[in-house]
Order: sequence, then structure tokens, then C-alpha cells
Amino acid sequence: DTGVSQNPRHKITKRGQNVTFRCDPISEHNRLYWYRQTLGQGPEFLTYFQNEAQLEKSRLLSDRFSAERPKGSFSTLEIQRTEQGDSAMYLCASSLAAGQGKTGYTFGSGTRLTVV
Amino acid sequence: QKEVEQDPGPLSVPEGAIVSLNCTYSNSAFQYFMWYRQYSRKGPELLMYTYSSGNKEDGRFTAQVDKSSKYISLFIRDSQPSDSATYLCAMMDAGNTPLVFGKGTRLSVIA
Repeated sequence: DTGVSQNPRHKITKRGQNVTFRCDPISEHNRLYWYRQTLGQGPEFLTYFQNEAQLEKSRLLSDRFSAERPKGSFSTLEIQRTEQGDSAMYLCASSLAAGQGKTGYTFGSGTRLTVV
Repeated sequence: QKEVEQDPGPLSVPEGAIVSLNCTYSNSAFQYFMWYRQYSRKGPELLMYTYSSGNKEDGRFTAQVDKSSKYISLFIRDSQPSDSATYLCAMMDAGNTPLVFGKGTRLSVIA
């Protein structure tokens, strides 16, 4: 297993366009998380899945954002009608539900979004 | 007040120095405490975790948790230029709530 994979690594889009990011977690991990990180800030939680069920969404996740994990494997995060304030690094992480306090999350390298 | 407070630095030290990084928190339900290291334009990687109060040592790194003061620390001995990165504290309770991160402290170790 090569860890958590995120694509694309970079995305530049015009304001108002829709973008979609993909995350492939570690195969045996049943939990998948999306975080957003802006310059000089720590990662901020957006949403997470256990298998295919979306269990929690942050108030940061406006109705322009939608995330899916259709078969409990990879996940997509879509942002509709992008705004300049959406410019950030979008991080995906995965973990096992059991014992995650000891193992933490494994993060991908992120997708850097720039909205111009 | 944010749940987790961390001084963003930057912190610049000479090679070989002992580095002390700290976080405070407000949620007494936090039970698991972690330190992540993040290099520029990369995702965070887990350095150390500690459960509840106490110390944990791993090579040049020591993590300390004082739950009575809601204060955690990471010490780096004999710091190396390769330790130059942003260090993020993170914590979670014993349930299913996601990891909460501090802002991160940017560390530069100068050769």
C-alpha cells in the first residue's frame, strides 16, 4: 500500500467554476476524513465517513460543498460555484475506527486549490 | 477561544539546540494527544501520540501531557536542520469526534 493518494495535486480554477477532488485512502482503513488548511493555520475538519456513511459534517462545509464515498473506498469532494475564499489546501486522511487514538490519521499530500 | 491554542512562531534555533513546542487546550474531554510534523507543501505525518497524562520518549523526541493544566509539550533534543518543519499538535476525545489541530509552530533549525 502506498498510503493516502490525492488527485490532483494542484488545481487552478476561475471563480464560479466547479471542482472535484479525489482521495484514495489506505485500503484497510474504514474511516476517511476531509480537512482544509489555509496558510499559517492548522487543518480544519470538514467531514468524515465510516465506510460509505457520512457521519459528521462541520459548519465549515457550506451547501456548495459535497462529499461522497460511494463504495466505502475512494472519496470525492466537490465544490460548486467556487469563491476566492475557497483557495486552500484540501487534505484527506484515513484511519481505522478502532484504536485511532493510538494510530492517528494518515494524511495524503493534499490538493492545493487556487481560485482566481 | 479556540479549543486548541498553539503559538505559530516562527521559531529559529541553532543546530544542536533543545526545542520546546507547546499547546494549551480547553476541552477536558480530550484523551489522545498527538504531534504531527508537516513539511512545506506536504501532508502532516504523525510523530508521536500520548494517551492521557504522562511522558513518552522516542529517540530525540519527548512528548509530555499535563491534563490538570491542559498543557502539552514536545521536546526535540539535538535538533537537526532536517527537523525544520511546521509542528502541529492535535487531540481527540475517547469517542468519535475528529482530531482537532492547533495552528502549528514553524521551526527552523539553522546549521
